This record gives sequence, structure tokens and C-alpha cells, in this order.
Amino acid sequence: SAVISQKPSRDICQRGTSLTIQCQVDSQVTMMFWYRQQPGQSLTLIATANQGSEATYESGFVIDKFPISRPNLTFSTLTVSNMSPEDSSIYLCSVEGQSYEQYFGPGTRLTVT
Amino acid sequence: GQNIDQPTEMTATEGAIVQINCTYQTSGFNGLFWYQQHAGEAPTFLSYNVLDGLEEKGRFSSFLSRSKGYSYLLLKELQMKDSASYLCAVRDHDYKLSFGAGTTVTVRA
Repeated sequence: SAVISQKPSRDICQRGTSLTIQCQVDSQVTMMFWYRQQPGQSLTLIATANQGSEATYESGFVIDKFPISRPNLTFSTLTVSNMSPEDSSIYLCSVEGQSYEQYFGPGTRLTVT
Repeated sequence: GQNIDQPTEMTATEGAIVQINCTYQTSGFNGLFWYQQHAGEAPTFLSYNVLDGLEEKGRFSSFLSRSKGYSYLLLKELQMKDSASYLCAVRDHDYKLSFGAGTTVTVRA
């Protein structure tokens, strides 16, 4: 299984500002995924990040709000832009294992005031 | 898209067995996963079914019927540490996972 780290683990931000979340994997992976988990809710896929190409966003998520970078096969960032209290959530990155299971990072708990 | 249903809550006694059902309606199917998530933690992978039948892994087993769009996760010999949310997720042909809302299992002494 892959070992995934995320930074920061949590943050409290003011509305209108932006936060960049980093995701580091201990092995090279083709696809990385970014999810959001709002309080008391299940996970919702934001986008799929492939190295060397534009991220693919799910319905309801746009690049201007959630720009993603994928500079190499072990690293990705997700930026939450122009934040509002509705963006308060846990943001998780994940990678796919050899048997198609996904492994999740520890998550970034974001609170927007 | 995917429509995934599972019960909201279940309660069971330590040492007992609990079965969590999951039904799905999908536009594409490429496997079904079960995850465990303790409060404040990330989900951890439990099981994967892509063919019909039962997969057993220690105290946890998972079953899949593709024709019925149905799966269950069976937890045996329940322990207090099994109190958690259990998420059913379906993988489509684009490698994306869609998650159900999760079932909160409470194990009582």
C-alpha cells in the first residue's frame, strides 16, 4: 500500500483568501484523486489529477475555484480559491493501488471564517 | 452516474455479527469497495469485489451480486474498535469512485 502525506493537516482561513494543500506519495503513481468530505457527509470526488495533463473535474467543480497541479508522479497540490464558509470541509487526496483500491491521505481539515 | 444506497445506522453487541447492505444503480461498473472510517480519520480500504461471490478476509467478508446491484459487508465477532462508519463505493470505467453516504456502526458492550 502507498504511504500518503498531506500538508497542512488543518487550517483556519478567512473568507476571500486561498489555501494550497499538498499531497505527497512515497511511490510513483499514474492517477491521483482529490475528494471533499463535508461535515457528516460522505466523500465527493473533486477531480482526477494525471501527470502531464490537465486535471479532470467532476460536475459542480471548476478549475478557477479548485486549481490543481501535478508536476510529477509523486506529488500534487489542490488550491481552494476565494474561500467562503461553505468550503469548510476535509480535503483528501488518494491514489490507486495495484488492485484498484484507493489509499487515502490523512486529510486536511479546513475551516473558513 | 451512480446511485448508491446503504443504511444510515446500525447497532450491535460486542461479539455479534452485523451485515451492512449496499445497493447500487450505475451507468458503468468496474468493481465495488468497502472502506472503514473512524471519526476524524481518513477512510481505510477493507475489501474489493469485481466478480460475483464472497470474499473473506479475517473477521470481514464482502459479497457481490452484479445482476442484482447488491453487496454486503459482514463483520463477525464484533469488537468495540469496529465502531466506525462503513462506506460502500463503486468504481466506474473511468476509474472514479462514487461513495455511498456511509453506515455508522455502533458496537455496544
